[in-house]
Amino acid sequence: NAGVTQTPKFQVLKTGQSMTLQCAQDMNHNSMYWYRQDPGMGLRLIYYSASEGTTDKGEVPNGYNVSRLNKREFSLRLESAAPSQTSVYFCASTTDRGHQPQHFGDGTRLSIL
Amino acid sequence: QKEVEQNSGPLSVPEGAIASLNCTYSDRGSQSFFWYRQYSGKSPELIMFIYSNGDKEDGRFTAQLNKASQYVSLLIRDSQPSDSATYLCAVTFNAGNNRKLIWGLGTSLAVNP
Repeated sequence: NAGVTQTPKFQVLKTGQSMTLQCAQDMNHNSMYWYRQDPGMGLRLIYYSASEGTTDKGEVPNGYNVSRLNKREFSLRLESAAPSQTSVYFCASTTDRGHQPQHFGDGTRLSIL
Repeated sequence: QKEVEQNSGPLSVPEGAIASLNCTYSDRGSQSFFWYRQYSGKSPELIMFIYSNGDKEDGRFTAQLNKASQYVSLLIRDSQPSDSATYLCAVTFNAGNNRKLIWGLGTSLAVNP
């Protein structure tokens, strides 16, 4: 049972490049989340998906798009990366439709040069 | 603006002692309260949640909630070096028709052998 799996674990991009962060969970959870964590800023919600087929903006959605491909997968896309998006990104999931993530992935450490 | 505040620490306690971690929140209407543990370089892990005033115990962990004073605490009994981590407090509050989760910045705990 893998839980929440994120890929890649590390990535370096140049300003303006695009990329997609992948997330999959095998716990049959309804809700999935994308957070970023920066020193001194704490965890900030980028987007969340309460159920398959729905997505909603969080606190810091600008510069990102998401896709809830199916119940298992929730991807985060950076269309034109900026240095301000250098961060650690966490995907998370929970069984209910609340806003308290139960399980986190290992994170993606993303650097934008 | 809704806020969750934690002392950043580090809180240093000897092995076997009780570690007391505190969290205050600004919204009197907050309903749900969560504690996460995050080891350095790792993802957060949900360890406790509490919804009602009073104490909730789970093994060596006790969460204490006082809604009148707007604080929630986490006590760790018989602290072990493996408890050394950052502890994040998270609180839900109602925002219109939605429920949102606000995170504190965390308290760093060091348990000294």
